Amino acid sequence: AQSVTQLGSHVSVSEGALVLLRCNYSSSVPPYLFWYVQYPNQGLQLLLKYTTGATLVKGINGFEAEFKKSETSFHLTKPSAHMSDAAEYFCAVSESGGSYIPTFGRGTSLIVHP
Amino acid sequence: ETGVTQSPTHLIKTRGQQVTLRCSSQSGHNTVSWYQQALGQGPQFIFQYYREEENGRGNFPPRFSGLQFPNYSSELNVNALELDDSALYLCASSPGTSGRWETQYFGPGTRLLVL
Repeated sequence: AQSVTQLGSHVSVSEGALVLLRCNYSSSVPPYLFWYVQYPNQGLQLLLKYTTGATLVKGINGFEAEFKKSETSFHLTKPSAHMSDAAEYFCAVSESGGSYIPTFGRGTSLIVHP
Repeated sequence: ETGVTQSPTHLIKTRGQQVTLRCSSQSGHNTVSWYQQALGQGPQFIFQYYREEENGRGNFPPRFSGLQFPNYSSELNVNALELDDSALYLCASSPGTSGRWETQYFGPGTRLLVL
């Protein structure tokens, strides 16, 4: 069985500061990992995904994430927060070679202060 | 290129009623997935359709059912509504032969309130 834990339901940063959103997963097989962003009253938008290959994945809007198998983590970072980054962020895992059914974390709300 | 659209945007029903939610896939996409997102939670996978056949199902009872049409649009039907069915229902489409791990494009969702 697979699961996702997002540490911190809310993360608050100042504009220009580093953004770090944490995601840990469990999976019995090599995982596919995803980060999505959801703005108010909108659907989810894919920020980035890891399937195979390079463990540092770059996504849209300056975000990146690193797959660390030994730590079962896939934390999302951005060097400098912008006001427009304020949104809900979801980490998701699906199992390669299995059902591929994705499991989402409960989400982390990013708050950006001016 | 038209994105994923869903209708209606909001819906209010009473317990025991039935509801049908609709989704139009992004052009060229043959796979559609449905998710339920309860307030304060992440999306939960309901099921996926590929070329009009159910292609995977999450842990939802049979009163949740779906259809995919030849034009790849889709419906989610929920019978015997319960209060806990109140949620945002998201549709996502993806291209390709399986779509299971490919990039999914989400619609804005339908917010259902069951009273």
